[in-house]
Amino acid sequence: QSVLTQPPSASGTPGQRVTISCSGGSSNIGINPVGWYHQLPGTAPKVLIHSNNQRPSGVPDRFSGSKSGTSASLAISALQSEDEADYYCATWDDSLKGWVFGGGTKLTVL
Amino acid sequence: QVHLQQSGPGLVKPSQTLSLTCAISGDSVSTNRAIWNWIRQSPSRGLEWLGRTYYRSKWYTDYAISVKSRISVNPDTSKNQFSLQLNSVTPDDTAVYYCARDLHGAYYYDYWGQGTLVTVSS
Repeated sequence: QSVLTQPPSASGTPGQRVTISCSGGSSNIGINPVGWYHQLPGTAPKVLIHSNNQRPSGVPDRFSGSKSGTSASLAISALQSEDEADYYCATWDDSLKGWVFGGGTKLTVL
Repeated sequence: QVHLQQSGPGLVKPSQTLSLTCAISGDSVSTNRAIWNWIRQSPSRGLEWLGRTYYRSKWYTDYAISVKSRISVNPDTSKNQFSLQLNSVTPDDTAVYYCARDLHGAYYYDYWGQGTLVTVSS
């Protein structure tokens, strides 16, 4: 139902590298920068990556983002237990003239 | 440091109007740099952008197509805040509502309010 498509779940063990995909279209990811957010239960989302691959200050370099065509990816390396959270991608859609979000990916650290 | 503080009722009756306010500290609602947004989150709809307001020599507003007929987002320069009004609510409007800031040209939300759970029920 969400305009941007993410896998509902992902998992990894401590120390592993995990990637989360975000698929969109020519009116959103294809032409606008993508941001990634993580969200802990009961709290507001917090930006991890903006402008496809830029980390705000304070975000560890274990988190990285990329974009190709109408898809984007978030990679988390050296996975830690505190990375267990929900992750969302978001961007502006020029056709809808509004922000669009992915449905979210629940990351489990096994 | 920017801080967004939300206020408003947590329970609204069906067919009535949902009203929330987002008070801004550390920035100005009238700045030319920022855009002030309302976003909601529910299990059924996920994260959903509702609308925004911003000042660029005059005030602008944009609304999501899904709520365009019944939403209003307004700045209040005297109190340095902005508000959300959603009319004719139904139980489907039950969600956690957030206010959030993004900067012009930045394409991401850098500050969020704490969130307000609004339940639509009689």
